[in-house]
Amino acid sequence: DGGITQSPKYLFRKEGQNVTLSCEQNLNHDAMYWYRQDPGQGLRLIYYSHIVNDFQKGDIAEGYSVSREKKESFPLTVTSAQKNPTAFYLCASKGQGAPEYGYTFGSGTRLTVV
Amino acid sequence: AQSVTQPDIHITVSEGASLELRCNYSYGATPYLFWYVQSPGQGLQLLLKYFSGDTLVQGIKGFEAEFKRSQSSFNLRKPSVHWSDAAEYFCAVGSSGNTGKLIFGQGTTLQVKP
Repeated sequence: DGGITQSPKYLFRKEGQNVTLSCEQNLNHDAMYWYRQDPGQGLRLIYYSHIVNDFQKGDIAEGYSVSREKKESFPLTVTSAQKNPTAFYLCASKGQGAPEYGYTFGSGTRLTVV
Repeated sequence: AQSVTQPDIHITVSEGASLELRCNYSYGATPYLFWYVQSPGQGLQLLLKYFSGDTLVQGIKGFEAEFKRSQSSFNLRKPSVHWSDAAEYFCAVGSSGNTGKLIFGQGTTLQVKP
């Protein structure tokens, strides 16, 4: 079945360490998104990509980086510059065209700073 | 600026009672509107969406929502709540421009009493 796979499900980061969250989709979707979820704040956009080798900053990109070397993959790196990285991270993808073509979400990665 | 407001952070209903979750949006044109449900530690599942046409939209799991342009609202309803409906619910609007991102409300947590 087609879908989005996020790994790992739980991730622990030490202070000053970079960590990378994986997002893979087999839906042949062009667009991919990373959202951060904090209690009581809904989801906020970190980065997005509409095509391979191109990506754009979202609303809260500081302290994060991404790459899009393959259509299927959109990994997110949480760098040491992100001062408050503890959160739930969701990856999403969307088919070409307007929003009615639908978004698919992964099951998320919970990142905790220890 | 585009925004989504869910006025109720937490709602408790008895099993078998009716449910209405409120959502108000701020958007200049005809919006693309979505309701998602999230179980703890999971990704988002689409309940229903509105793009155009009939303002009463039917979704999965017995949910429906009504788009009211005059009130800038897209409230979610269910006639009889089941214990399995306990979850967090998010209203979202598809943004204008070419990012393709979703703008989310803060979420409403639904608790179901036996």
